[in-house]
Amino acid sequence: LAKTTQPISMDSYEGQEVNITCSHNNIATNDYITWYQQFPSQGPRFIIQGYKTKVTNEVASLFIPADRKSSTLSLPRVSLSDTAVYYCLVDNAGNNRKLIWGLGTSLAVNP
Amino acid sequence: DGGITQSPKYLFRKEGQNVTLSCEQNLNHDAMYWYRQDPGQGLRLIYYSQIVNDFQKGDIAEGYSVSREKKESFPLTVTSAQKNPTAFYLCASTLDREDQPQHFGDGTRLSIL
Repeated sequence: LAKTTQPISMDSYEGQEVNITCSHNNIATNDYITWYQQFPSQGPRFIIQGYKTKVTNEVASLFIPADRKSSTLSLPRVSLSDTAVYYCLVDNAGNNRKLIWGLGTSLAVNP
Repeated sequence: DGGITQSPKYLFRKEGQNVTLSCEQNLNHDAMYWYRQDPGQGLRLIYYSQIVNDFQKGDIAEGYSVSREKKESFPLTVTSAQKNPTAFYLCASTLDREDQPQHFGDGTRLSIL
């Protein structure tokens, strides 16, 4: 059974780079990997998505090794406002939709 | 301004009652989803719909029902058969392709009186 595993919590300080790794050993060929950020009492917000290698946007980078069994979300120079829960999702988007969510990583950024 | 709207923000239910949560999107997205989120838990899929007048059960569909009569709307009914309905409910939508992320509403928090 496909499963997505990520650390329960992480601590960091302002200005540091934070890397959160998600394990998805049973990822299928057509699956994409997406990361979301969620603040309390709000819906998750899209951060970044990738299929293989490296993807970078204005807020984060996503590193996916060749075997695609894991992925790492990298947040450069975090600030207090990055304190949130971060979710990893493996998504096949097929007719029999399989959405495998991780349980979330609670990131605390300290001053 | 395009987006996905859930209402109400807070909802209270007496035991034995059915309640309906609203989800509307003006993003012209094909697919819509309902999730349940409990404290400290991830997102669990209740139902999803990839096209109008069709929907599929997710991982925890028991005690819930949905309809998809219009592309823009995907209401969720929490029936009296759902024995533990207190949770945060999230609706999402997406263009139905694997490389398209989901857009979420800001949720409805349901509590039992």
